[in-house]
Amino acid sequence: EDQVTQSPEALRLQEGESSSLNCSYTVSGLRGLFWYRQDPGKGPEFLFTLYSAGEEKEKERLKATLTKKESFLHITAPKPEDSATYLCALTFRAGTALIFGKGTTLSVSS
Amino acid sequence: ETGVTQTPRHLVMGMTNKKSLKCEQHLGHNAMYWYKQSAKKPLELMFVYSLEERVENNSVPSRFSPECPNSSHLFLHLHTLQPEDSALYLCASSQDSQGWDSPLHFGNGTRLTVT
Repeated sequence: EDQVTQSPEALRLQEGESSSLNCSYTVSGLRGLFWYRQDPGKGPEFLFTLYSAGEEKEKERLKATLTKKESFLHITAPKPEDSATYLCALTFRAGTALIFGKGTTLSVSS
Repeated sequence: ETGVTQTPRHLVMGMTNKKSLKCEQHLGHNAMYWYKQSAKKPLELMFVYSLEERVENNSVPSRFSPECPNSSHLFLHLHTLQPEDSALYLCASSQDSQGWDSPLHFGNGTRLTVT
């Protein structure tokens, strides 16, 4: 069973059409949840870290939220340049390596 | 130059070749990592070095051999690879590896094709 599940696997939006990406997890004792953005041919780029339920972080059109079972990455009025694969990763025990999800590939068309 | 730099960007090698991937970080971080990224699969951790000492090896086949001569440089030596080793190999660095609380900063990877 996957410990980190991202959905949907792929998402197509029109420019300006807001939506959310989901990252659900089954581990207990979450220490930190990370969101990364990965453009084709590039390495993942760090976006946010969330540490506790109820926490929110924002950057431009992106807002990340965290509950006890999942995290959402909300994209408000997306633009074509927001097209990328968004990766979720978490750590749940001191000294335990990051666990990554498979990612959501977002395509925004104008 | 800033960030994490990986060379080469692309590599094609036969199964009997020996090659090396290089990574350099200019962020003053203490920990460096090798990850493997394959299509439709989560990133797989291969090796972790903290202050130049290997602290984690996720049961990677011996045909992959890491080397960390100092806190800024990391190598991955490859020999006798298999076609299923074809993937994007990503190097990353972070301030601290022990608690996995610091975000990772990735290079742009080496796209490896084994023929």
